[in-house]
This record gives sequence, C-alpha cells and structure tokens, in this order.
Amino acid sequence: QEKVQQSPESLIVPEGAMSSLNCTFSNSASQSIWWYQQHPGKGPEALISIFSNGNKKEGRLTVYLNRASLHVSLHIRDSQPSDSAVYLCAVSMDYAQGLTFGLGTRVSVFP
Amino acid sequence: GGIITQTPKFLIGQEGQKLTLKCQQNFNHDTMYWYRQDSGKGLRLIYYSITENDLQKGDLSEGYDASREKKSSFSLTVTSAQKNEMAVFLCASSHRGTEVFFGKGTRLTVV
Repeated sequence: QEKVQQSPESLIVPEGAMSSLNCTFSNSASQSIWWYQQHPGKGPEALISIFSNGNKKEGRLTVYLNRASLHVSLHIRDSQPSDSAVYLCAVSMDYAQGLTFGLGTRVSVFP
Repeated sequence: GGIITQTPKFLIGQEGQKLTLKCQQNFNHDTMYWYRQDSGKGLRLIYYSITENDLQKGDLSEGYDASREKKSSFSLTVTSAQKNEMAVFLCASSHRGTEVFFGKGTRLTVV
C-alpha cells in the first residue's frame, strides 16, 4: 500500500518569500504525483502534477521529482497571503483507484 | 468546465441512524470517488466506481455502502452512524487518470 509523508507540518513565511514543501512516497512505480491546495471549508483543488524525473514550472510554482529518492518538492515563489492554505501531496498508482494523500502542510503567509 | 455538487452540505445524525450523502457531477467523467477527511488523518478512500453500476471498495469501506445508478451520480450511505463521529466526506471525479476534481464536501456530525 502506498504511503505518502509530508514535511513540514506547518510553515509560516512572510509575503514575497519562497515557500518550500516536501513529500516522500513509498513506491517508485507510482504514476503521477499531484499537489493540491485546500482552503478552509472547500474541497482540494489541483495545482500541478509531475510524472517524469526532473522539474516542472507553472507560473509561481515549481515542482521537483526524484524517483530514485522517492521525493518530490513544491516551491511557491513570491508567496502571497492568498496562498495561505493546506497543501496536499497525492500519489497515483493506478488511475482508476484514485489518489493516496499525505496529511498536508499548512502554509501561512503573513503580510 | 464542470462542477461537483454534494448534498447536503451539513448533516447531523443520531447514533445508529442510516445516513445518505449524494453527489452529482456534470464533467461527464467515468470515474467517481468518495473520500473521508478527518483532522490528523488526511483523506482516505472509501469507495470508487469506474463506470455506471460499478463499485470498488477502498481502504475504509467498512460501515459504508455506495451506489452508482447513473454516470453522473454517486451516493454514499453510512450504514450505522457512530456516536461523536465528525468528519468531512468528499466526492470526486476524474477521466482516465487525469486531474481528480473534488466537491466542497458534506460535513457530518453524529450526536
């Protein structure tokens, strides 16, 4: 069974700083790795996904995947107060069976 | 775009009661999911369905039944609500391994 662990549990950063989140997973045969953002009282929303080793950049987001070390990281450049949310790392083994989620990292960005 | 609608938004039940949660999606997605989100335990998969009338058990299926009579709808039944139970139930859908979209959730409290 896939296991997903996230660190840190919480992160407090000033506006304009970089937020860096980490995620490790247990199975190198995992398909895609997704990062979701969840605001209070809302469902998770997908931010970015990665399948191949290396990095992927979309706007202020950059994700790095290293399958050999079973590690993926998310970096949010120029963090804004509106980025304050819980960020969930999710791993897909089989597209039909859904995603396995980590417990999340709570990010707080202060002005 | 599309939307996932979950009803009701809030559900208060009594111990031992059978409770039904409903979900509708207009994405025309094949696969639908029910997740449970508890504080400190992340999202856990209860049931999923890869097509109309298909049902597959997730890791947390004990104590629940599900029904997928139409492609667009997926319902979940708590067969016997447990006293002091409090959780958020999230419905989701996806198409063949692409992004998983979530509804806003049904918040269950059992008194």
